[in-house]
Amino acid sequence: GAVVSQHPSRVICKSGTSVKIECRSLDFQATTMFWYRQFPKKSLMLMATSNEGSKATYEQGVEKDKFLINHASLTLSTLTVTSAHPEDSSFYICSARLLAGGPTDTQYFGPGTRLTVL
Amino acid sequence: KQEVTQIPAALSVPEGENLVLNCSFTDSAIYNLQWFRQDPGKGLTSLLLIQSSQREQTSGRLNASLDKSSGRSTLYIAASQPGDSATYLCAVAPRSGTSYGKLTFGQGTILTVHP
Repeated sequence: GAVVSQHPSRVICKSGTSVKIECRSLDFQATTMFWYRQFPKKSLMLMATSNEGSKATYEQGVEKDKFLINHASLTLSTLTVTSAHPEDSSFYICSARLLAGGPTDTQYFGPGTRLTVL
Repeated sequence: KQEVTQIPAALSVPEGENLVLNCSFTDSAIYNLQWFRQDPGKGLTSLLLIQSSQREQTSGRLNASLDKSSGRSTLYIAASQPGDSATYLCAVAPRSGTSYGKLTFGQGTILTVHP
């Protein structure tokens, strides 16, 4: 089946630093990737939609200058949390939608990245 | 705005029981509904996907039904096992438009199956 990886799986950083999270589709091409955020014991909230070769579209209430998204290739999207603060601590999950040749309405999810900002 | 609700929030059952998890959504204009499993600190594993034109899907001990007109879906787990312990999430995808592909998730049901 389709596999999506995320790196790192866990990161701890100091307040004020920037953190980059990578999302890769390992065995398929994805024109669209999605970034979600999950607080403890809460559901997933969509942050933004990342389209290869174009600017990401952000959900209402998500600061685009705070959460920079780059989708440089059909297999890689990155989320950079800039000037991170403790309130940015969360579990970040990406998903990738299959380009073609399969059930294009299926999203495959990465294993998530646990960000802790001290 | 689509809202997805899951009941119960938590469920604890002895091994071997059959159980039902419920999911309801407010806007019936959906493309599909999907059930996921999430283990603690992990990502999501897709269990079943039901297209809007379908009534149910089955995979092993799992059966998911969809009643789009009433905005409800159920996930039936037969002969539960301790390994089924996890959080179960349902998510709906909108039919079309600019929201295409954007999943709306429920809060999840935390299932514990004890030996």
